Amino acid sequence: EDKVVQSPLSLVVHEGDTVTLNCSYEVTNFRSLLWYKQEKKAPTFLFMLTSSGIEKKSGRLSSILDKKELFSILNITATQTGDSAVYLCAEGSQGGSEKLVFGKGTKLTVNP
Amino acid sequence: NAGVTQTPKFQVLKTGQSMTLQCAQDMNHEYMSWYRQDPGMGLRLIHYSVGAGITDQGEVPNGYNVSRSTTEDFPLRLLSAAPSQTSVYFCASSPGGYSNQPQHFGDGTRLSIL
Repeated sequence: EDKVVQSPLSLVVHEGDTVTLNCSYEVTNFRSLLWYKQEKKAPTFLFMLTSSGIEKKSGRLSSILDKKELFSILNITATQTGDSAVYLCAEGSQGGSEKLVFGKGTKLTVNP
Repeated sequence: NAGVTQTPKFQVLKTGQSMTLQCAQDMNHEYMSWYRQDPGMGLRLIHYSVGAGITDQGEVPNGYNVSRSTTEDFPLRLLSAAPSQTSVYFCASSPGGYSNQPQHFGDGTRLSIL
């Protein structure tokens, strides 16, 4: 059984739309919840949420962590074609962000 | 500042061959790790290290060896390559401990086993 579950697995929107990506996780040994964006190569870091920081915002992107319901969401407002990527959610179970367990990712396609 | 550097970028092997994937970081990070990414599977942790001389297994360690003789380098060895090890391999690093800093990834090595 997957520990980190992302939904939807894929999403196609038009430029300007707002999207919400979902990630549920298990509570065992929870330390952190991270979001990464992956285009062609390396995953690039977006946000890290912990018990002491449950909301993050950077420009058009924002994320929240619901510790009670064990999920996180990533919001992207006013989407652009450059937002097209796979968005990965990962749970860290050691130290700060070590021993990451990833979900399968959400493939976002933003059409002009 | 190069960050996390992986070599080679691409490699094709025959079944049974051995090879080493290289990973180096110049950020003096204590924590380093190796992941593999397969279609539809997300990234899965192979091995990790919390500092020089210390390594441990992740979720999918079989068929892979690691060592950490220096802070900078964390090579991944395939002793006898199998077609099931065809994948994209990513190395990542972070300051470690309880720094609450995220892992940063290298650009990956695409490995094909024939």
